[in-house]
Amino acid sequence: SAVISQKPSRDICQRGTSLTIQCQVDSQVTMMFWYRQQPGQSLTLIATANQGSEATYESGFVIDKFPISRPNLTFSTLTVSNMSPEDSSIYLCSAGGQGINNEQFFGPGTRLTVL
Amino acid sequence: QKEVEQDPGPLSVPEGAIVSLNCTYSNSAFQYFMWYRQYSRKGPELLMYTYSSGNKEDGRFTAQVDKSSKYISLFIRDSQPSDSATYLCAMIGSGGSYIPTFGRGTSLIVHP
Repeated sequence: SAVISQKPSRDICQRGTSLTIQCQVDSQVTMMFWYRQQPGQSLTLIATANQGSEATYESGFVIDKFPISRPNLTFSTLTVSNMSPEDSSIYLCSAGGQGINNEQFFGPGTRLTVL
Repeated sequence: QKEVEQDPGPLSVPEGAIVSLNCTYSNSAFQYFMWYRQYSRKGPELLMYTYSSGNKEDGRFTAQVDKSSKYISLFIRDSQPSDSATYLCAMIGSGGSYIPTFGRGTSLIVHP
């Protein structure tokens, strides 16, 4: 199994600012992902963080708003840029999931509130 | 219509009750079905995993898939207060992408 940690665990930010969330995995993994979980909504995939290349974004999410870094096989960051109250959500990092028998593990999440 | 529908609850039951959690889906390409459990302020963790139709049992938990009805269930027997959590169903198709499509989750409260 993989143990995933995220920093910060929560933050309250002002409109128009940016926040970078860090995700650390305790072992090397090929696949890392970033999800958003809004109250009462399903987990929504933002992007796949690719090591050594640009992230792959899902429909509705763009690099300018959610830039992602993946410098190595154990670490990734997600930045939420130019925040608005609509960005208030829980942001989850996950790893694994390559192949159907490869379990996808999740971090504890970062709870973001934008005022 | 969303690909995966799941009643958000909350579902409140007394300790010892049998709990039934359900999801329906519209995409007939889904072949792999999962249930995740998410405790408050934690990330989801995989609880059970089933391929295609049929039942799978693990202790007090039984996952059931009915592909003809596009309907999956998770049963919890002898429910405990420690089962109180949000349960998310998730599904993967056969098209080569292993990224799940999640339901919105059902909040379960088991009271002593």
